[in-house]
Amino acid sequence: GQQVMQIPQYQHVQEGEDFTTYCNSSTTLSNIQWYKQRPGGHPVFLIQLVKSGEVKKQKRLTFQFGEAKKNSSLHITATQTTDVGTYFCAGRNYGGSQGNLIFGKGTKLSVKP
Amino acid sequence: DSGVTQTPKHLITATGQRVTLRCSPRSGDLSVYWYQQSLDQGLQFLIQYYNGEERAKGNILERFSAQQFPDLHSELNLSSLELGDSALYFCASGEALTGELFFGEGSRLTVL
Repeated sequence: GQQVMQIPQYQHVQEGEDFTTYCNSSTTLSNIQWYKQRPGGHPVFLIQLVKSGEVKKQKRLTFQFGEAKKNSSLHITATQTTDVGTYFCAGRNYGGSQGNLIFGKGTKLSVKP
Repeated sequence: DSGVTQTPKHLITATGQRVTLRCSPRSGDLSVYWYQQSLDQGLQFLIQYYNGEERAKGNILERFSAQQFPDLHSELNLSSLELGDSALYFCASGEALTGELFFGEGSRLTVL
């Protein structure tokens, strides 16, 4: 079945350093979403990418969708302690219902002040 | 506040028992999704309902079942509980146009 692999599993950075998490799918995706889960919290939607090669920015966060629509990345510039949490990508297949949103295992980010 | 309500927040029970988790979606959302989050296992999709009908099924065990009622709230029933069923169970409802999911705060189930 479809798999969405996400690396790294953990990332520890010093405040001010950059951070990147990568997501790879075994199949071509119709779109990909990113979510953030703060410690003890629930996943919160960040963004959805739909087009091949799409790049979107939200302040210090940059999201990319690969040309083949099989991979994606989230890059955070100059991390802050408020960025702490687990970042999940979630990919959806073509023709799949909303239920076929397959989540990666997430990258847990810790930021040392 | 996502607008999705889940109860109970915490539940402790014994192996072999049965529990019911409840979810009320955001006002206006017809879809409800259930996810299981175990330690370091990410979010495992269990099942989706849309306007009372089962829409998609994921890695849901036969011991688990769910339903969505006419008022759109949903219940996830977990029976013959095993230690490995201990997890955080999230309910989410969907935004029809964007596909964005809104998650509830989760129900933490501990099976002893």
